[in-house]
Amino acid sequence: GAGVSQSPSNKVTEKGKDVELRCDPISGHTALYWYRQSLGQGLEFLIYFQGNSAPDKSGLPSDRFSAERTGGSVSTLTIQRTQQEDSAVYLCASSYSGGHSYEQYFGPGTRLTVT
Amino acid sequence: AQSVAQPEDQVNVAEGNPLTVKCTYSVSGNPYLFWYVQYPNRGLQFLLKYITGDNLVKGSYGFEAEFNKSQTSFHLKKPSALVSDSALYFCAVRRDTGRRALTFGSGTRLQVQP
Repeated sequence: GAGVSQSPSNKVTEKGKDVELRCDPISGHTALYWYRQSLGQGLEFLIYFQGNSAPDKSGLPSDRFSAERTGGSVSTLTIQRTQQEDSAVYLCASSYSGGHSYEQYFGPGTRLTVT
Repeated sequence: AQSVAQPEDQVNVAEGNPLTVKCTYSVSGNPYLFWYVQYPNRGLQFLLKYITGDNLVKGSYGFEAEFNKSQTSFHLKKPSALVSDSALYFCAVRRDTGRRALTFGSGTRLQVQP
């Protein structure tokens, strides 16, 4: 079946511009996560959505970062007034919260370059 | 707070030899442990997990890992390495309750030489 998809695969933007990154989770997965993978920082958690519950935003690095999940499916990560340190690969993952399926399935990522 | 340590940036092994990629963790409560593999320009691919039960877990592509509670370790192993196993490997942990986000190690690059 279809996996997690993300768009765009690559995004180059100028410092100060806003960007939106999109994630389509696996159908039926109720949990959705955003992570960031950057050189020197490894993989870091950004935000987590579970069903209709309030999202866990504890990993967002600043108030320039926000995310929403519409209809319990597609999610958009928005970075306002981008900075060069925002350059990274942004990974989305989803998981099924029922039964004993605890693993998260990752999309291919969006490579963001801020010039 | 929870953390994962992968002490080796790179592991080199000859094809056909056994391989081990090390991982130790720190978490309050019971750990859920995972291994992921990342090929160039690809996302993370799930390999295996330990949730409860047998300490030796088997996963995809012939990989296995052993959970050792006393040593807080979850080393990844394979009896016979393939050149195609060359990739970046990440160990991850979360608690059994509460926050579901994963905490990842820094990754270990596995290089299998023909």
